[in-house]
Amino acid sequence: QKEVEQNSGPLSVPEGAIASLNCTYSDRVSQSFFWYRQYSGKSPELIMSIYSNGDKEDGRFTAQLNKASQYVSLLIRDSQPSDSATYLCAVIRGSGGSNYKLTFGKGTLLTVNP
Amino acid sequence: NAGVMQNPRHLVRRRGQEARLRCSPMKGHSHVYWYRQLPEEGLKFMVYLQKENIIDESGMPKERFSAEFPKEGPSILRIQQVVRGDSAAYFCASSPQRDTEAFFGQGTRLTVV
Repeated sequence: QKEVEQNSGPLSVPEGAIASLNCTYSDRVSQSFFWYRQYSGKSPELIMSIYSNGDKEDGRFTAQLNKASQYVSLLIRDSQPSDSATYLCAVIRGSGGSNYKLTFGKGTLLTVNP
Repeated sequence: NAGVMQNPRHLVRRRGQEARLRCSPMKGHSHVYWYRQLPEEGLKFMVYLQKENIIDESGMPKERFSAEFPKEGPSILRIQQVVRGDSAAYFCASSPQRDTEAFFGQGTRLTVV
């Protein structure tokens, strides 16, 4: 089982719609969760972090964490063509000496159609 | 506050040459991570360093690859005797603490010809 799994997509949504990106992780003791956005040919850009169960909102972005289900998601409201990118889910394991290593999923390619 | 600075942005090396990639972390960040990204693949952890210490190099090939983060100056990822398979984007990230948000530099695109 992969440590961090994401649907590779592509996920295609119309402009103005809600885009929903999902991620599951295998290590139950994971404590820190992040979403990065990566445009083609560019570096990953941190857009959200979440550490406790529930929702965290920042502008058009909402991160949701469910540790019991080992599931984290990212919702993008009012999607814009400029949101078209690959979204990377990343997890830091919480056990002992490994609580620093960001482990990434392969990413979900999102396309927002005008 | 300047972000994570990597240089060079693009590097072309012939097979057998050495590649040196540099990373200056954000101000106030003492934790540095190197990741490699191959085309159509995810980011793979290579090494984690603090000032003057390698904490975890479990993701780095045992041969030809080395990393350092000296007391003064940038972190260096060194690849000796490069081969075509080393062609990739190499990203550096830094964080203020070991289990918090990490911020990435622009990356170095290494091409081995």
